[in-house]
Amino acid sequence: QVQLQESGPGLVKPSETLSLTCSVSGGSISSYYWSWIRQPPGKGLEWIGYIYYSGSTNYNPSLKSRVTISIDTSKRQFSLRLTSVTAADTAVYYCTRSEEGSAYDLGYWGQGTLFTVSS
Amino acid sequence: QTVVTQEPSLTVSPGGTVTLTCASSTGAVTSGNYPNWFQQKPGQAPRALIYSTNAKHSWTPARFSGSLLGAKAALTLSGVQPEDEAEYYCLLYYGGAWVFGGGTRLAVL
Repeated sequence: QVQLQESGPGLVKPSETLSLTCSVSGGSISSYYWSWIRQPPGKGLEWIGYIYYSGSTNYNPSLKSRVTISIDTSKRQFSLRLTSVTAADTAVYYCTRSEEGSAYDLGYWGQGTLFTVSS
Repeated sequence: QTVVTQEPSLTVSPGGTVTLTCASSTGAVTSGNYPNWFQQKPGQAPRALIYSTNAKHSWTPARFSGSLLGAKAALTLSGVQPEDEAEYYCLLYYGGAWVFGGGTRLAVL
């Protein structure tokens, strides 16, 4: 059974860059869609973007200018980079994987990691 | 800016049936929006229930079903259990981008 684990610094200062990594175990990193989702404290879910194992990406238009998602198949990891962060970027960040053979789902989720923006 | 709208809250009695809906500001929800549904309990990560309108994940209980109902996507819970009390989110696809609904808080009373 695939397992996803988010990791990264829990705290960064305003205007700095957030970098998070999702490590994949128990399954292949190939032939799937890998996404990042976030959830501000007490609020709903927001899709950030996805990457296909081949490297093609799509991003939330509202975040596109600040977001980069990359993948390293050799390390079985994919990453999120969010620049110029503000307090509004404080959230639990989740990584997800699609079902096998599907491009249109977020079937498998990591446990999430809280990222806080504060000076 | 596309907005996906869900009922803010619903209440259902144990053993009852309830339908949650998901509407799009762009018009009718279709199979081409590949509706997904997720359940989230406090302090937990969301759990996927339904994808591509009505497909179930291997772990999805049989009492959960997805459909298109008029111009909306729908999630129906039949024979509701106390453990179904949770926040439910829908997710719609718009040609390369995904948009979540605001969530429905389901109370089982």
